[in-house]
Amino acid sequence: SQQGEEDPQALSIQEGENATMNCSYKTSINNLQWYRQNSGRGLVHLILIRSNEREKHSGRLRVTLDTSKKSSSLLITASRAADTASYFCATDTGNQFYFGTGTSLTVIP
Amino acid sequence: DTGVSQNPRHKITKRGQNVTFRCDPISEHNRLYWYRQTLGQGPEFLTYFQNEAQLEKSRLLSDRFSAERPKGSFSTLEIQRTEQGDSAMYLCASSFLRGPIGGYTFGSGTRLTVV
Repeated sequence: SQQGEEDPQALSIQEGENATMNCSYKTSINNLQWYRQNSGRGLVHLILIRSNEREKHSGRLRVTLDTSKKSSSLLITASRAADTASYFCATDTGNQFYFGTGTSLTVIP
Repeated sequence: DTGVSQNPRHKITKRGQNVTFRCDPISEHNRLYWYRQTLGQGPEFLTYFQNEAQLEKSRLLSDRFSAERPKGSFSTLEIQRTEQGDSAMYLCASSFLRGPIGGYTFGSGTRLTVV
């Protein structure tokens, strides 16, 4: 079974608004990563946060990690129509790499 | 190097036939992973290689599935006696040995349709 669960399953926002997605996982991890997937395409790596980090930024992306709660969040600021995609968290335990169920984001122009 | 390459992009096959997919990872990457993804779901781990050694196999990988990575370069995933439930996107990814500094690099996938 998959390691991570994401919330919400689907999110629809207006262009310019911020989008927040959450990920919860079950076991100890080395790092957590977020990926983006456009419909019918492969996954694109967005950002990686290590287990000893609490927050990380990359452009309009902000990721937080709370290992005590086994949860992470991805914030996309000032969203654009081109951000429309599915977003997945993935947990790296060192031996295996599991994806969550994904959040489908729709940004309305 | 243009990244991880997967072939074919699409495969339609009749139930009961065998199919083989190929993945060419980034040349410097020693780890190679196979995932399966069905519509509306996240990718599910199938197996991974470190160089030519297959180190981990998911219980999802039934005995009809076999993966190889001869010489630690490209990899093949074969499905024998395909079933309709095998219809999915098969994704390949590669990374460095000591974990992803910049994440795993995925190919565009092979979409299998079993009719």
